[in-house]
Parts: sequence; C-alpha cells; structure tokens
Amino acid sequence: DAGVTQSPTHLIKTRGQQVTLRCSPKSGHDTVSWYQQALGQGPQFIFQYYEEEERQRGNFPDRFSGHQFPNYSSELNVNALLLGDSALYLCASSRRWEAFFGQGTRLTVV
Amino acid sequence: DQQVKQNSPSLSVQEGRISILNCDYTNSMFDYFLWYKKYPAEGPTFLISISSIKDKNEDGRFTVFLNKSAKHLSLHIVPSQPGDSAVYFCAATITGNQFYFGTGTSLTVIP
Repeated sequence: DAGVTQSPTHLIKTRGQQVTLRCSPKSGHDTVSWYQQALGQGPQFIFQYYEEEERQRGNFPDRFSGHQFPNYSSELNVNALLLGDSALYLCASSRRWEAFFGQGTRLTVV
Repeated sequence: DQQVKQNSPSLSVQEGRISILNCDYTNSMFDYFLWYKKYPAEGPTFLISISSIKDKNEDGRFTVFLNKSAKHLSLHIVPSQPGDSAVYFCAATITGNQFYFGTGTSLTVIP
C-alpha cells in the first residue's frame, strides 16, 4: 500500500503565478482533504472532496480551488500567488474518522 | 477561532520517563480525537485515536485519555524513547469531515 502520495515535494513560484499540487489517496479511501501548514502552526483546513464534489470548505479565498477525479485523486490549485501562500500543503485521505497524510508539498513564493 | 488548543509549545523528558502531552478543545460536538506525530520535512503520521464515547485508548506505549466534562485530552508515552522526539499534533473532528488541529507540541526525549 503506497499510502498517500503528493507531488511535487518542493516548488518555488513567483508572486502572481498559479500552481497545481497533486495528491493520490490511500487505497480504499474516497475522501481527500487539503490543509495548509504555516511555520509553527498546526495544519489549517482548506477544503474536502468527496465523490468529485467539494463537500466542505475552510476559511480560504476563492484563489484556492480544487478538483477530485473519478479515481479519487485530487488537485489543489492556487491562483495569483501571494508571498503569504508559502507553506507546507498537506493532502489527507480518509475513510470515516481517520485521516492519513501525505508527506506534503513545500511551496515557496518569491 | 482556535477550537483545538495545545498550550505547551515544547516539552523535554528524560529517556525512560513518561511524556504527557495535553490538548484542550472548545466544541462539544467533536466525536473523534486523534494524535499525530510529525518529523521535519514529513507529513503528520497517525498515532492513536479515541472516540468520544470512550475515556481511554491504549496502543503499546501510547495511551490517550479523554475527559469530556473538562474538554481535555492527553497523550501519555511510557517509556519515552529518543525516537519519540517530534512534534505532536492533537486533532478533533465531527463525523470525519473537517479535522481541527492544535498548534503542536515539540517533544524532546533526552537520552
């Protein structure tokens, strides 16, 4: 079982650019959530996808959008990048009450 | 509004002794609680969980205690080992939808 895999592991982008992060969930998991973890903070919920629909959304602007594919994999898109978007982006796949995380994508906006 | 709080940013414990990590929450609707361990440059790793209908769950050296009346949970690690040194996050959820995380406690186990 490959667990949750995310790509890329590191990324550097310039302010104003757009970025797409990818996530493949753990086998048997149909729900994917995305989190942003800033330095020294706990992960903050961005949104959750289930059956290719956004089921719940945290307090993030519309610049953050996502997608879930029929195979349950997911993408996180961030438009018009700001310096403050620099963070570790974590994908979590879950089935019922337990969430398993990928290793994260470290995004640096310069 | 931080619904899950870990008020101790760091904790140091001697090898072999007990480590106690604490977590408080404000939302009485939370029905499941989890602890995650995180090493630098890695994603959080699931450690142990507890349902709100229980007050204790044990898995090897790790035990989680839940006090619903106090809205408090704790993670006990006995005996502590140097490999336990990491950041520990407490998380809570309602029916497995959004997970709310604390800010983490950095545990250092001194050999």
